[in-house]
Amino acid sequence: NAGVTQTPKFQVLKTGQSMTLQCAQDMNHNSMYWYRQDPGMGLRLIYYSASEGTTDKGEVPNGYNVSRLNKREFSLRLESAAPSQTSVYFCASTTRGQLEHEQFFGPGTRLTVL
Amino acid sequence: SQQGEEDPQALSIQEGENATMNCSYKTSINNLQWYRQNSGRGLVHLILIRSNEREKHSGRLRVTLDTSKKSSSLLITASRAADTASYFCATILYGQNFVFGPGTRLSVLP
Repeated sequence: NAGVTQTPKFQVLKTGQSMTLQCAQDMNHNSMYWYRQDPGMGLRLIYYSASEGTTDKGEVPNGYNVSRLNKREFSLRLESAAPSQTSVYFCASTTRGQLEHEQFFGPGTRLTVL
Repeated sequence: SQQGEEDPQALSIQEGENATMNCSYKTSINNLQWYRQNSGRGLVHLILIRSNEREKHSGRLRVTLDTSKKSSSLLITASRAADTASYFCATILYGQNFVFGPGTRLSVLP
């Protein structure tokens, strides 16, 4: 099992450009999450998908959109990138619905917006 | 302000020493988890403690939870250079999502 995979690993964008970050998991998890991590801060939740076909906003959703393509895949789109979106983005998945569930994280995407 | 906050922000110790880091949170929780992040990598789950538990062990890790003080501590005994990483607590609110603190950066010097 590959676990949670993310592509690309690195990306440099110019202000105003758009891009999609891809995430896939092979653990048959119901729930998937997108976080961003900025220096000196913990992870902040951007969007999540509790189950296939549903998506909800997290703490910092502005400037982002998501698509839960199927149970395996959850993508994050930046329509018009801004320098404030320079960050490391992590995708995670878990089996929701249980009282105890750990999150499994992908390796991250380092995004720089110039 | 954040739901979970680790203390200290950074910790530097010698190999073989114990490392203790703390996490404080604000609201009632379902459970609390600790994660490790090596430089440039994703987070890895270490241990989970339920709200009705007071202490839990896993190998060299010992976690305590004091719900009356809304705090938790992570103790790593006999630390190794490979323990150098950032450590995050994550609180899970009833019916809601994970909330991560800003983390403690641990450096274990050989």
